[in-house]
Parts: sequence; C-alpha cells; structure tokens
Amino acid sequence: DQQVKQNSPSLSVQEGRISILNCDYTNSMFDYFLWYKKYPAEGPTFLISISSIKDKNEDGRFTVFLNKSAKHLSLHIVPSQPGDSAVYFCAASGGSGTYKYIFGTGTRLKVLA
Amino acid sequence: EAGVAQSPRYKIIEKRQSVAFWCNPISGHATLYWYQQILGQGPKLLIQFQNNGVVDDSQLPKDRFSAERLKGVDSTLKIQPAKLEDSAVYLCASSYTSNEKLFFGSGTQLSVL
Repeated sequence: DQQVKQNSPSLSVQEGRISILNCDYTNSMFDYFLWYKKYPAEGPTFLISISSIKDKNEDGRFTVFLNKSAKHLSLHIVPSQPGDSAVYFCAASGGSGTYKYIFGTGTRLKVLA
Repeated sequence: EAGVAQSPRYKIIEKRQSVAFWCNPISGHATLYWYQQILGQGPKLLIQFQNNGVVDDSQLPKDRFSAERLKGVDSTLKIQPAKLEDSAVYLCASSYTSNEKLFFGSGTQLSVL
C-alpha cells in the first residue's frame, strides 16, 4: 500500500532551466508534507515543507505547491544548478496521531551543465 | 550544532549472524526514528520513539528486530538473526517534537551475504 508515490524515477534538466518534481498521495488525512534531498552515501537533508492550510511555500530557488483536491504536490527548482543533482524524496504525515512520516520512492534529478 | 550521529557506517555480515546499530540524536530532540531504506525505495519507518517510549513499531519485524532507547537519548537497533533481505541502509533520524522536520544521520549500509 504505497500511500505516497513519486511516479518519475528520474529526471534530467539543463542547467538554468526549471526542474519540476511531482508527488501524489492517497491519504486525505495527510496534513504536512516535506521534501528531502539525498546525495550518495549521505542521509537525506530537509529542503522545504508545506502545511495543508497553504497551497504554496517558497524558499529561495525552491517552491512547493500543494493541490489538496488532486492529492498532489510538486517541487519547483528555478534555476536548476548542477549541485542540485541528487535524489529527491517527498514525505507526508498526519491523521494517525503519531505523526508518522511516509516517504515516496524518490526521483533522481540530474542537472546537466 | 552537532547532527545525528550513527555508527558503524558500513557492516558486512553473513546470514543468521546478529548486528547492532547505534544512533545519537541531536541534543534536545525528543523524537527518534529508525528507517530502513532498501535500494531503489524510499525510507520505511521501522520504529518511532518519543523520549524513551515507543510510539509506533507497527512495521518492525519483531521476530528478528529489536530497538531500545533506554535513557531517552541514544538508541540501538539490533537484528538477530539477519536475513539476506535485510541488506539496506538503516537511517536514524530525530526531531524536536513529533510533528517537526526530521534530521537524518548518514546511515549504516548493511550487507548480508
């Protein structure tokens, strides 16, 4: 039962262009969403989050959009840089009372110089 | 601020052997998580502690896995006996409270031969 899905295993983007990473969820009780970035041989690092009371959150080059009716969120990176090349995971929590974070399977982003 | 510390970084064992992983969370973080990440998949929660009490261990294979956080600070995760399918990265994470972003350690890469 995959409650959080990232249907694109990989994405390649030219440096300077926009990267859009997508995430879908099935549990309507989720109310807090996070994006993590992971480099090889390192643990995931927090990137940006959004609460279900918002539909957009920005932090520098990173913007997360939340569409609750579609149960969909996306991460936009503008402009993309080679250092952004990593695996990106979305995670969701809420509703269970235990604030258990459910992670997607990840999207490998490659930014081409 | 020191991050989440994990050891060892790598471990190779034969099936049916036992292994233990150690985690020291960020100082002051009450919530500690152990995740299992199999290659090509997202992190899967094994167990969540709030101080020294277990909040969620629904996905912990209790016939072979055990975890403790005796003094509400550092934690150990043990596998006994190990199976081939336990080969994965074991990630420890902590958060200040249960509904805040997670900070991950670098993980322990376990190979079961």
